[in-house]
Amino acid sequence: SQKIEQNSEALNIQEGKTATLTCNYTNYSPAYLQWYRQDPGRGPVFLLLIRENEKEKRKERLKVTFDTTLKQSLFHITASQPADSATYLCALGGRGSTLGRLYFGRGTQLTVWP
Amino acid sequence: GAVVSQHPSWVICKSGTSVKIECRSLDFQATTMFWYRQFPKQSLMLMATSNEGSKATYEQGVEKDKFLINHASLTLSTLTVTSAHPEDSSFYICSARGWEASYNEQFFGPGTRLTVL
Repeated sequence: SQKIEQNSEALNIQEGKTATLTCNYTNYSPAYLQWYRQDPGRGPVFLLLIRENEKEKRKERLKVTFDTTLKQSLFHITASQPADSATYLCALGGRGSTLGRLYFGRGTQLTVWP
Repeated sequence: GAVVSQHPSWVICKSGTSVKIECRSLDFQATTMFWYRQFPKQSLMLMATSNEGSKATYEQGVEKDKFLINHASLTLSTLTVTSAHPEDSSFYICSARGWEASYNEQFFGPGTRLTVL
């Protein structure tokens, strides 16, 4: 079965810096990859999607890259703010008969301190 | 974006009882709903995929007789945890996709915290 690893359980950075989160996977070939934000006791909130034939996507202060050869995605938050503190999840998207199904990593808890 | 609600938001029950969790799409028709379970500091684990009017498809290792899923209408899916035990205590989250959804359009509910005593 697929295995998804997010670089670290926790990441602490200073306000204004760029946060970089890593998602590595094995035993799977996703059609797309998504990043979500999850606050304590809440459901995930969609942030960005990148397809297997795309290298990079941007949305405001967020940037995601996708390297299908390395089986890795990087998620960047530039000019980070304390309000960005949350757990960030990467999810692999299925294809064909598994279209729509998402397989999540454990997440990285980001803390941005003033 | 579209709104998905869950009810109840939390529930405490005794061991051996059954608990029903509802997932509703409030402003769109959901052809497919997904049920996830999340233990503390763990990832969301996909339990099953539910298509309106048909039987749910369960992921490997998920007991279909233990976790009964019904998707009888385009706006409602239910998950019933039968004969719940303390190890079933977890955070249960649903998500929904609509008729015209591209594959990325999946909206998550706020989750239901189940505690089995």
